[in-house]
Amino acid sequence: AQSVSQHNHHVILSEAASLELGCNYSYGGTVNLFWYVQYPGQHLQLLLKYFSGDPLVKGIKGFEAEFIKSKFSFNLRKPSVQWSDTAEYFCAVGSNYQLIWGAGTKLIIKP
Amino acid sequence: ETGVTQTPRHLVMGMTNKKSLKCEQHLGHNAMYWYKQSAKKPLELMFVYNFKEQTENNSVPSRFSPECPNSSHLFLHLHTLQPEDSALYLCASSQDKALNEQFFGPGTRLTVL
Repeated sequence: AQSVSQHNHHVILSEAASLELGCNYSYGGTVNLFWYVQYPGQHLQLLLKYFSGDPLVKGIKGFEAEFIKSKFSFNLRKPSVQWSDTAEYFCAVGSNYQLIWGAGTKLIIKP
Repeated sequence: ETGVTQTPRHLVMGMTNKKSLKCEQHLGHNAMYWYKQSAKKPLELMFVYNFKEQTENNSVPSRFSPECPNSSHLFLHLHTLQPEDSALYLCASSQDKALNEQFFGPGTRLTVL
């Protein structure tokens, strides 16, 4: 069965630290890749997506992600986090017209 | 404002109650989805509707019954639920089912006593 693995359930960082959240998936075919974010008390919203082309994708609020096909990975990065980045981050992989979701990573930024 | 609204935002019900969750999207999308979000677990896709037709039912128990009267509205009828059904139920919509961005509502926090 297809699955999406997010390596860390909780990450705690200080402001200005660099961030990398891991996402790996198990599916050998063509995929669309997404990162969604859920800020406290708010709805899930799209952070960035990859369909094709440049494997380095830039999203909102300074986030980026790199698709490495050989590693089945789509890790999320931000060079310098802010307190307002405190949220839960979800990786999702689309294939066969369904989105398969990771369990999420809760990110806490200490001011 | 996401363009996807859900009511009620919170619901507490007993195991013998019947209740309904409502979702409305104002984005002109053709596909709508119900998801179940439980703590520390991946989002579980429950149902997909595309152009008002149900196209996916991911082995959801019959105590959950979806209804899609038109492309803008989606309901989830609940009957004789179990305590383990307590979760956040999310509605989402997308332009079509072809894996475009999904827009989510705020969810209904359901507690089954």
